[in-house]
Amino acid sequence: SAVISQKPSRDICQRGTSLTIQCQVDSQVTMMFWYRQQPGQSLTLIATANQGSEATYESGFVIDKFPISRPNLTFSTLTVSNMSPEDSSIYLCSAGGENQPQHFGDGTRLSIL
Amino acid sequence: DAKTTQPNSMESNEEEPVHLPCNHSTISGTDYIHWYRQLPSQGPEYVIHGLTSNVNNRMASLAIAEDRKSSTLILHRATLRDAAVYYCILRDVGGNFNKFYFGSGTKLNVKP
Repeated sequence: SAVISQKPSRDICQRGTSLTIQCQVDSQVTMMFWYRQQPGQSLTLIATANQGSEATYESGFVIDKFPISRPNLTFSTLTVSNMSPEDSSIYLCSAGGENQPQHFGDGTRLSIL
Repeated sequence: DAKTTQPNSMESNEEEPVHLPCNHSTISGTDYIHWYRQLPSQGPEYVIHGLTSNVNNRMASLAIAEDRKSSTLILHRATLRDAAVYYCILRDVGGNFNKFYFGSGTKLNVKP
């Protein structure tokens, strides 16, 4: 099974700044996804990170706020732009093959002051 | 997205079996039933998945109703380490790019 590493594991940021979260997989995978988990809540899918093309965003999430890159089959980044306190959440990436279980990183805990 | 319904919370005694139910009455023929669990301060962890037949692995068993409108995750002997939020998820492999949509899950408390 794939091992997912996320960096940073946590951060405290100032309002109005941006933060880029990295997701590294130890093997090539076809599917990578980004999720948000607000305090005490379940996971909400943000977008599908597509290798070599623009990410596919879910309703309520836009590229200007959450730009995503996926330059190859083992790596993706999510940027949280122009942050506000409402963006304080855990951000998680997942990866796996088609029709295979997804494996998750332990998340990036983000606090906005 | 096909929806799932789970009890908000359940309680079990250590070393006893636990049956976690999930209703998915709008399931389609190409939806696989996946179970994940999330331990405190960790990302979700894969438990088991199936399509029509019951499934067993080292972690748990999955019992799927004949009409596929419900399923039950069975932990044969709960330990304190099994205390987590358990998510039942339908994954459409016929389309929808294999996405996972998480419901609210069941918080399992295991008493010593």
